[in-house]
Amino acid sequence: EAQVTQNPRYLITVTGKKLTVTCSQNMNHEYMSWYRQDPGLGLRQIYYSMNVEVTDKGDVPEGYKVSRKEKRNFPLILESPSPNQTSLYFCASSFTPSTDTQYFGPGTRLTVL
Amino acid sequence: AQSVAQPEDQVNVAEGNPLTVKCTYSVSGNPYLFWYVQYPNRGLQFLLKYITGDNLVKGSYGFEAEFNKSQTSFHLKKPSALVSDSALYFCAVSAEGQGFSFIFGKGTRLLVKP
Repeated sequence: EAQVTQNPRYLITVTGKKLTVTCSQNMNHEYMSWYRQDPGLGLRQIYYSMNVEVTDKGDVPEGYKVSRKEKRNFPLILESPSPNQTSLYFCASSFTPSTDTQYFGPGTRLTVL
Repeated sequence: AQSVAQPEDQVNVAEGNPLTVKCTYSVSGNPYLFWYVQYPNRGLQFLLKYITGDNLVKGSYGFEAEFNKSQTSFHLKKPSALVSDSALYFCAVSAEGQGFSFIFGKGTRLLVKP
């Protein structure tokens, strides 16, 4: 089944404790992206990747890191999480950027205390 | 800078009536426009998109949208709403020659009442 998976689905952590949210897709997509969803703000793009070793900042990259060492994986790293990073996070992928349909993962709900 | 506006936080409609969810955009260059739907506790699902060609785009579940370049709008419509259409709807835009980022609107909650 074609899908985007994220782990963990739920995470409660404390300020400053490094964490990684994994994202994997099995559709051989070139483009992958991370978004956060906050009430009243919609989805905002954090980072995106055009291909292996090619990443770029979205609208809200501060406090986040990403890497794309393999085509199928695009982990989101929070090196020192803060409470304002409490949010619902979505990973998405598509064959090409701009014109192609994005497939979204199920989401990761992160709470930073 | 690119932007998307969904002017209504919530749209209420009776089952069987037509529905419209509004979206306006601002980009430099040709826009690529999308509608996605989010059901409770789920990720986003693709509904339809406009890339080029016919201004009226038909998508999943009987939804359609009309690209209006002069009004910079891409409103989502359905002739007859179902209770099961109740969900959160997002408009999104990317643009030719503007990098590879996506901008999403804030979302509009659609409530269809029996």
